[in-house]
Parts: sequence; C-alpha cells; structure tokens
Amino acid sequence: AAGVIQSPRHLIKEKRETATLKCYPIPRHDTVYWYQQGPGQDPQFLISFYEKMQSDKGSIPDRFSAQQFSDYHSELNMSSLELGDSALYFCASSVDRGGWAFFGQGTRLTVV
Amino acid sequence: QKEVEQNSGPLSVPEGAIASLNCTYSDRGSQSFFWYRQYSGKSPELIMFIYSNGDKEDGRFTAQLNKASQYVSLLIRDSQPSDSATYLCALRTGLNAGGTSYGKLTFGQGTILTVHP
Repeated sequence: AAGVIQSPRHLIKEKRETATLKCYPIPRHDTVYWYQQGPGQDPQFLISFYEKMQSDKGSIPDRFSAQQFSDYHSELNMSSLELGDSALYFCASSVDRGGWAFFGQGTRLTVV
Repeated sequence: QKEVEQNSGPLSVPEGAIASLNCTYSDRGSQSFFWYRQYSGKSPELIMFIYSNGDKEDGRFTAQLNKASQYVSLLIRDSQPSDSATYLCALRTGLNAGGTSYGKLTFGQGTILTVHP
C-alpha cells in the first residue's frame, strides 16, 4: 500500500541557508501535518493543512513557512537555518483532518 | 504541566511478560487517543487508537481508556524483543459536528520499552 513519501531523506545545510522539505500524502488523504522531533524529544507539531488551507498552527518559527498544493502535496520551507533546527522532520497525512494519521519516513536535517 | 504525560522510563520487562505503558492528559476535552511505536531514527508507527471508555484489544495489544480519570494505557502481552522501542501516546481534542475527532495530534514524551530475552 502507498505510504506517505518525504523527500529528501537526509539534508545537510549550513547556517543561514534555506531548505525545502517535501511531503506526498497517501492517495486520497487531504490533510497534512508537519512535526519536528529533536534527539530524545517527542514530535512537536508545527503546522497542518486541510484541503490546501492552513488548519492548525503550532510552534512553527517565523523563519519557516509551508503550503499545500493542488495535488495535496506539501512543502516546508525553512530559511535562515540555525544549528537548533537540526532534527527529524516528519510529515503525516490523514483524511478530513481526522482518522488515523500515518507518518512518512522523515527528513533528517543537519545544520552545520 | 504538559498536555500529555507518560510514565517515566525506561521500562524493562522479560520476554513473554506483560508490558504496561501509561499516559495521563490534562484536557478533558480530548476526544481520541493513539498509541504509536517508534524505533530509533524511524518514523512513528500507529499501533492502536481508542475513543470510547473501556478496553480495545488488537492481537497482543490492549488499549484502555478512562476519561473520568483522564488516563489511557497500553498493555502488550507476551512481550517480544522486537517490541523494544519508544511508545508514544498522542491525543486529539477537536470534535466536529459529525461527532468525530479531528485536528493535530499532541504527543507525550514517550516511554522507552526494552524487552530482554
């Protein structure tokens, strides 16, 4: 069965650079969630989208922005990267903002 | 106080034993509850969800919910070394007009479970 696809799987960036993370939800899933997970931490909710509109907003820094496109894939844009942004970034998808939320394999971002 | 609190770990049980993982939450409006398993460096994998008081069983896993006590637990019977992972409790608080929960998942800090042979 198709799962949530994230790309890239690994990313190394320097401080102050920008990064774009992509998420392709499970087919027919219209809701996408972004989470950030630091080492030994629980996943922290960043932002979510439903039907291409922002649905919930969590602890997403102003340096980050995200959107959901007409094909329901989503992109997380991160600018002025800081060392503290190094983390695993997960995307999850579900139907109609509810139901089971399935996670992608994540993007490991390392800022050096 | 964190919205979701999990029992401090790590938890170590022998193979074949029952592992009990606990989670309390502060928002009485919480509607549905999820248990995810996460291996190191991997993504969270959904194991169980529950939204009604009582027990819900699926194979070796049983989720228990007590909304009055704001408590949800996960029991793993016949624990196997492959069950060794971090277990994350998560909840949703939104409730739509149709009576189903929706919205972001809020996670607890996780409990590390080790099942030793």
